[in-house]
Amino acid sequence: GAVVSQHPSWVICKSGTSVKIECRSLDFQATTMFWYRQFPKQSLMLMATSNEGSKATYEQGVEKDKFLINHASLTLSTLTVTSAHPEDSSFYICSARVRQRGELFFGEGSRLTVL
Amino acid sequence: GENVEQHPSTLSVQEGDSAVIKCTYSDSASNYFPWYKQELGKGPQLIIDIRSNVGEKKDQRIAVTLNKTAKHFSLHITETQPEDSAVYFCAASIYTGNQFYFGTGTSLTVIP
Repeated sequence: GAVVSQHPSWVICKSGTSVKIECRSLDFQATTMFWYRQFPKQSLMLMATSNEGSKATYEQGVEKDKFLINHASLTLSTLTVTSAHPEDSSFYICSARVRQRGELFFGEGSRLTVL
Repeated sequence: GENVEQHPSTLSVQEGDSAVIKCTYSDSASNYFPWYKQELGKGPQLIIDIRSNVGEKKDQRIAVTLNKTAKHFSLHITETQPEDSAVYFCAASIYTGNQFYFGTGTSLTVIP
């Protein structure tokens, strides 16, 4: 299957700082990328959908000014958690839909811990 | 919008036995149904998928069946092994659409 690379795989930061997570589709072009948040033993919670070259669409309840998403190219999307607080600690996962095809592939996830 | 329900939430089987996970969906427009396996601390991995123009698809020990009339689809794992232990998610989507609707997951434990 197609490969989605996500990094960093884990990050620890101090409260008030910003953290950027990158998501790259390595061997395919991704028209659409999705960002999820996952709490322990729970399902995937969609945060936002991003299309290349346009603004991300955020799900209800997700603060767009706090979770900045940029989809600069057909192979790269970034999530920046701004002014992080301990409650932002979570497992963040990106996914990418193969252009002109239906398959959706996930990155390996990023574990964020805010102290 | 689409609503995907998944059962059971937890499943324990003896090694070598079969495991079946079932999902239902509500939107008849959905035509693409992938299954993902998520191991602890990792992202979900696509293991098999099916489109609505077929009723069954098999890949070695894994198979998926789809009943469009009843709007349900199932994952079947035969000859289970301890490495099959993981959380499995079903999903429903329109093949060229931009939305995927996920089930709540099934935690499968294969007991050696």
